[in-house]
Amino acid sequence: GENVEQHPSTLSVQEGDSAVIKCTYSDSASNYFPWYKQELGKRPQLIIDIRSNVGEKKDQRIAVTLNKTAKHFSLHITETQPEDSAVYFCAASKGGGGTSYGKLTFGQGTILTVHP
Amino acid sequence: GAVVSQHPSWVICKSGTSVKIECRSLDFQATTMFWYRQFPKQSLMLMATSNEGSKATYEQGVEKDKFLINHASLTLSTLTVTSAHPEDSSFYICSAREQATTLNEKLFFGSGTQLSVL
Repeated sequence: GENVEQHPSTLSVQEGDSAVIKCTYSDSASNYFPWYKQELGKRPQLIIDIRSNVGEKKDQRIAVTLNKTAKHFSLHITETQPEDSAVYFCAASKGGGGTSYGKLTFGQGTILTVHP
Repeated sequence: GAVVSQHPSWVICKSGTSVKIECRSLDFQATTMFWYRQFPKQSLMLMATSNEGSKATYEQGVEKDKFLINHASLTLSTLTVTSAHPEDSSFYICSAREQATTLNEKLFFGSGTQLSVL
């Protein structure tokens, strides 16, 4: 099955700095890669996602890049703010229908702390 | 966006009792729902895939007789933790995808249930 590795496990930055979180996946058939932000005791919130036919996607201060050949994808947050502090999870799945459609394999998570 | 409602949000029970958790899609039909478990400071681990009108598919290592899943309608899936023990204490969260008419992989998560077994 799919295996997703996420690094680093913790990340501490100063407000205004950039933060980068990296994930690798093992199943070359995976084609959908969402990123979630989770605050303590809350549900994961989708912050950005990318499909395998795209190499990069940006939404304001958040961007995701995908390297299909190397099977890794990264989350980039620029101009970080204290409210960005949370746990971030990457995930991978195979889309396009079938029983595995929507079945996410999550990375281990990254605790991001943004210091004012 | 679509809303997935999960109840209860937290439950405390005695060891040996059973606990039922409900996951409802409020404004869309979900042919498939997923149940995850999350231990403190750990990632979400998929427990099972719940398909409307058929038996759930369990991940390796998850006891299907202990974690009973029922998906009797297109808007409701339930997870029952039978004979709960302290080691079952965890955050349980469901997610749902809309009935497949498009290839939109976005999933919608419930708010989660914190289970504490004494």
